[in-house]
Amino acid sequence: AQKVTQTQTSISVMEKTTVTMDCVYETQDSSYFLFWYKQTASGEIVFLIRQDSYKKENATVGHYSLNFQKPKSSIGLIITATQIEDSAVYFCAMREGGDNYAQGLTFGLGTRVSVFP
Amino acid sequence: GGIITQTPKFLIGQEGQKLTLKCQQNFNHDTMYWYRQDSGKGLRLIYYSITENDLQKGDLSEGYDASREKKSSFSLTVTSAQKNEMAVFLCASSIPGLGGPSSAETLYFGSGTRLTVL
Repeated sequence: AQKVTQTQTSISVMEKTTVTMDCVYETQDSSYFLFWYKQTASGEIVFLIRQDSYKKENATVGHYSLNFQKPKSSIGLIITATQIEDSAVYFCAMREGGDNYAQGLTFGLGTRVSVFP
Repeated sequence: GGIITQTPKFLIGQEGQKLTLKCQQNFNHDTMYWYRQDSGKGLRLIYYSITENDLQKGDLSEGYDASREKKSSFSLTVTSAQKNEMAVFLCASSIPGLGGPSSAETLYFGSGTRLTVL
């Protein structure tokens, strides 16, 4: 069974600095996919970035990047040059590979990030 | 682009009542999902459907029924509302990513239905 753990409940940072969030996952599959989603104060959930397990390079999208450490089963999210609007809850999620591709994602409990001016 | 519309946004019911939540998507996505989010918690999968008339149970399916009569719509029924079911229910849809069914997919979420049971 797959499991996703986010140990940081909340993080506070100053605007324009860098924030790093941790996520550790458990899976028996050799092929899997890792995601980060953002939930804003309004409740909207949007996809940010993903990492495929077979790729060695860390994914980067805009000011979001990942720190993928496969031997540690870790997928950290890094947000550089944070802005006030980055204040949100960030969820780490995983899907295992295989034929049951539509089985949905397993989510962590989320990390609340507050960015202050 | 597309949109996922969930109705109603707020649903108030009585304990023991049967309640239905609706979801429509115009992405033309094959797969749709219902997740439940309890206050301060992550998302847990209730049901999903890979195509019209298909239903698959998630980890939290007990106490719920689902229906996928059209590709664009997916409804969820709380069969007997309980006080500990006060939560936000999120509908999502996805299409297999580049590379076909075995590759990753991105989920697109609706804005949620907040359920309160009196």
